[in-house]
Amino acid sequence: QSVLTQPPSVSGAPGQRVTISCTGSSSNIGAGYDLHWYQQLPETAPKLLIYDNTNRPSGVPDRFSGSKSGTSASLAITGLQAEDEADYYCQSYDGSLRQVIFGGGTKLTVL
Amino acid sequence: QVHLVQSGSEVKKPGASVKVSCKASGYTFTSSGINWVRQAPGQGLEWMGWISGYSGNVNYAQKVQGRVTMTTDTSTSRAYMELRSLRSDDTAVYYCARGRSIGAVLDVWGQGTTVTVSS
Repeated sequence: QSVLTQPPSVSGAPGQRVTISCTGSSSNIGAGYDLHWYQQLPETAPKLLIYDNTNRPSGVPDRFSGSKSGTSASLAITGLQAEDEADYYCQSYDGSLRQVIFGGGTKLTVL
Repeated sequence: QVHLVQSGSEVKKPGASVKVSCKASGYTFTSSGINWVRQAPGQGLEWMGWISGYSGNVNYAQKVQGRVTMTTDTSTSRAYMELRSLRSDDTAVYYCARGRSIGAVLDVWGQGTTVTVSS
């Protein structure tokens, strides 16, 4: 059971918008620790998608955006494409556990 | 360009140890740290610990504390993760990933090393 809670799966048709939530607590997201998102395509290593809550590394399309409020964060993907089908993970730090924490992951299916 | 290249797959028996290496290139090794993250088959990502490339200071996850040792060799820009007393549930893909400090973003990842624990 992960400290950060994500929905196990989401889906959408090509061109649609989907969001993936990441819910934490007052000892991690709510304490002000930054939230990061990773994309993992099948059989590959995770890749950084969003860092420090809202920032995109160079090369990541602006169809991907992140937000954070209170003890939760969200990843939004607009203009859904077949190549977006992957697992998505959120990550932060927990001040009480004193360790890095990941969400359980969300599988995105493009219908 | 920043790269992390990991050592090859390993097959170990229960109770044995494994040591995985991660060679960094394209940046100053001592300016950042290395995280180790593992992923069991069909499961999510699990953080194991972080080591500073500058000081060698470490921070381990509670779950593996006592069985894991992370080290660095600054002369070769390599990080190492040794896991002892292996069990079947240690079977996983092990990743190294660069992180400036503990809790910071993991911005570059290695390709992964498969460790299989089987009798």
